[in-house]
Amino acid sequence: NAGVTQTPKFQVLKTGQSMTLQCAQDMNHNSMYWYRQDPGMGLRLIYYSASEGTTDKGEVPNGYNVSRLNKREFSLRLESAAPSQTSVYFCASSAHRTGPGQPQHFGDGTRLSIL
Amino acid sequence: AQSVTQLDSQVPVFEEAPVELRCNYSSSVSVYLFWYVQYPNQGLQLLLKYLSGSTLVESINGFEAEFNKSQTSFHLRKPSVHISDTAEYFCAVSGAGSYQLTFGKGTKLSVIP
Repeated sequence: NAGVTQTPKFQVLKTGQSMTLQCAQDMNHNSMYWYRQDPGMGLRLIYYSASEGTTDKGEVPNGYNVSRLNKREFSLRLESAAPSQTSVYFCASSAHRTGPGQPQHFGDGTRLSIL
Repeated sequence: AQSVTQLDSQVPVFEEAPVELRCNYSSSVSVYLFWYVQYPNQGLQLLLKYLSGSTLVESINGFEAEFNKSQTSFHLRKPSVHISDTAEYFCAVSGAGSYQLTFGKGTKLSVIP
């Protein structure tokens, strides 16, 4: 019963480097989400995928790309990392077969520092 | 679009005292409301939710929240807190028909022995 698994848990990058954050869920959920959490800012939605094969921008998509690889996996890519992208990144998933309003299940986060 | 305001960024309270964490929302459509809890170095966990029906909802660990449509509020309460309740609490709203959540900025609850 792993739920939502994020890798890596920690990462340090230099400005301009690229990397991909991985997320996988084993709950057969349709929807998946990427958030960033910054002190005093709450969680802000970067991108989401309502179902396999679709992705949409959230509140703060600039500087990021996503791929919904299959129903289980949803990755977040930083093409050219910037110090402003230093944050804690959370992946989440939810079911919506029974309609909206379903709770989201979160991974433990990836702590990313960009120097 | 929806928005959420958590009125207190930090709330210190003595053990076994009652606590209320305040949450107000704005929306032009009907809403679903959630409270999540985040313990240090962990992800968010659902604490309780209001979708429809009874306006008072309860969690398994003694928290409750009441949906007040006229005041657009969804305050979280617990009559007697424990040290283990120390965490950050997030209020979130989803507009009817939407799968997205909008989160408040969080309230850090510190329980003092």
